[in-house]
Amino acid sequence: GQQLNQSPQSMFIQEGEDVSMNCTSSSIFNTWLWYKQDPGEGPVLLIALYKAGELTSNGRLTAQFGITRKDSFLNISASIPSDVGIYFCAGRDTGRRALTFGSGTRLQVQP
Amino acid sequence: NAGVTQTPKFQVLKTGQSMTLQCAQDMNHEYMSWYRQDPGMGLRLIHYSVGAGITDQGEVPNGYNVSRSTTEDFPLRLLSAAPSQTSVYFCASSYSQASTDTQYFGPGTRLTVL
Repeated sequence: GQQLNQSPQSMFIQEGEDVSMNCTSSSIFNTWLWYKQDPGEGPVLLIALYKAGELTSNGRLTAQFGITRKDSFLNISASIPSDVGIYFCAGRDTGRRALTFGSGTRLQVQP
Repeated sequence: NAGVTQTPKFQVLKTGQSMTLQCAQDMNHEYMSWYRQDPGMGLRLIHYSVGAGITDQGEVPNGYNVSRSTTEDFPLRLLSAAPSQTSVYFCASSYSQASTDTQYFGPGTRLTVL
């Protein structure tokens, strides 16, 4: 079946630092999504990507659809305490309708 | 709009007990789905529905039943709970199956099976 490897599993950073995380898949995807999950809540969509090489920003967040179509990256610039949470990638390949989710990156920000 | 609501928020069951996890949405979305979230794993699709009266299996359907009698509600039933079903369950909805990229998730139900 589909496999998504998301790394790192967790990060502990100082406020103001930049953060990078990524996902790689075992197959070619035509959609990459990035979600954030706050404690006790459901995931919320941050950024959606639909084209190889696409670079999309949402405030301090920037995500890229890898040119190989097997990976995606999320960067957070100048982190703040409210960035704390779990960030998930998700993707869909051309032959499936269902999304495959990564295992998440847990981000902690020290004020 | 309340969005997607789930009840209960927490539940503890004994092995073999049955229960229903409730999910409702007030956005007139056609597509609804149930996921489970386990430590160290991504969300996995259990069942989904593309509209009232239509349901289908996802990636991990065994041990779960669903029905969709109305557009608003999509309950998930555990007929005989097992410890392996200890997990956090999320319901989600979107305008259609084609728009699952913009699906809205409920706050989750944390289930423990002893």
